[in-house]
Amino acid sequence: GQQLNQSPQSMFIQEGEDVSMNCTSSSIFNTWLWYKQEPGEGPVLLIALYKAGELTSNGRLTAQFGITRKDSFLNISASIPSDVGIYFCAGQGDSNYQLIWGAGTKLIIKP
Amino acid sequence: NAGVTQTPKFQVLKTGQSMTLQCAQDMNHNSMYWYRQDPGMGLRLIYYSASEGTTDKGEVPNGYNVSRLNKREFSLRLESAAPSQTSVYFCASSERRRGQTQYFGPGTRLLVL
Repeated sequence: GQQLNQSPQSMFIQEGEDVSMNCTSSSIFNTWLWYKQEPGEGPVLLIALYKAGELTSNGRLTAQFGITRKDSFLNISASIPSDVGIYFCAGQGDSNYQLIWGAGTKLIIKP
Repeated sequence: NAGVTQTPKFQVLKTGQSMTLQCAQDMNHNSMYWYRQDPGMGLRLIYYSASEGTTDKGEVPNGYNVSRLNKREFSLRLESAAPSQTSVYFCASSERRRGQTQYFGPGTRLLVL
């Protein structure tokens, strides 16, 4: 079946640093979504991407839908303490109505 | 608007007991979903309901049943709980099933002893 590889698994960064994470798929997707989950909460949508090559920003967050339609990237600029959490990518293909989820990238900010 | 609400927040069950997890959304969404989340893994779809009156199996449906009671409510039932069903369960909804973002509830933490 379809698989999503999300990396890195975790990141330890200093406040103010930029962050990059990515997801790659074994098959083509038509939609890429990026979510953030904080402890004890459900995932919250950050950015949605619907077209290959699309680059979308939401404040300090920027995500791109890869040209091959098999990957997506999320960047966070100038990280702040409230950015901590787990970031998930999710993709949806053409023939399958289900979302396929990455395993998450845990972001930890060093004091 | 409350968005997606789930009850209960926490539950402890003994092996073999049954329970129903409740989910409701007030966004007039057509589609609803049940996921489970285990440590180190992404969300896995248990069942979904594309519209009122329909339900379909997801990736991990064994041991679960669902009911789409009306457009607002979608329940998940464990008939005979097993320790392997210890997990965090999330309900989500979307306006339509395809290419639409899903909105999540706060989750139900279930421990099966």
